[in-house]
Amino acid sequence: ETGVTQSPTHLIKTRGQQVTLRCSSQSGHNTVSWYQQALGQGPQFIFQYYREEENGRGNFPPRFSGLQFPNYSSELNVNALELDDSALYLCASSFGGWVSNQPQHFGDGTRLSIL
Amino acid sequence: SQQGEEDPQALSIQEGENATMNCSYKTSINNLQWYRQNSGRGLVHLILIRSNEREKHSGRLRVTLDTSKKSSSLLITASRAADTASYFCATARMDSGNTPLVFGKGTRLSVIA
Repeated sequence: ETGVTQSPTHLIKTRGQQVTLRCSSQSGHNTVSWYQQALGQGPQFIFQYYREEENGRGNFPPRFSGLQFPNYSSELNVNALELDDSALYLCASSFGGWVSNQPQHFGDGTRLSIL
Repeated sequence: SQQGEEDPQALSIQEGENATMNCSYKTSINNLQWYRQNSGRGLVHLILIRSNEREKHSGRLRVTLDTSKKSSSLLITASRAADTASYFCATARMDSGNTPLVFGKGTRLSVIA
């Protein structure tokens, strides 16, 4: 069984730039969720993708966007980066749509630093 | 917003002792989940307990849920140095329609050998 993998592991950007983070879901999973985790905080839900469509979104601005591909892998795109976007970005996969009724399988995250 | 709040924020114990962490939440829930996060790594799911359950066990882990008090506890028995990590509770609200998991800020557990 292949687990959730994320790339890159670390990334440094400057304010105003754009970034794309990638996630491969665990085999057999068709649902991907993205979370932002600031230092010393719990993960905050950004959005979720199921069958290539966004089907849930947290309190994040539109400059946070995503995609899910036919193989269920996913991308998180962030435009016009701000200093407060510095965080660990986590991807989690599961099966069958909404995430809250089953365990989530997390990758090890991408550490994004904004200078 | 974070619904679940863990207590204490940090806990330091000797190897072999038991560790208890608590989680309080604000709204009615469908289920509550506990996760562990080692430094610099992703979260690992430990236990899911549904709103109609009061207690669940998994190996050295015991989780209780008191919906009347809107609280849960995670007990780790006979702790080991490898249990050193941050522990998060996550709640799934009982709303019509779908709601995401909402995580607390976590308890940082240090187990000293």
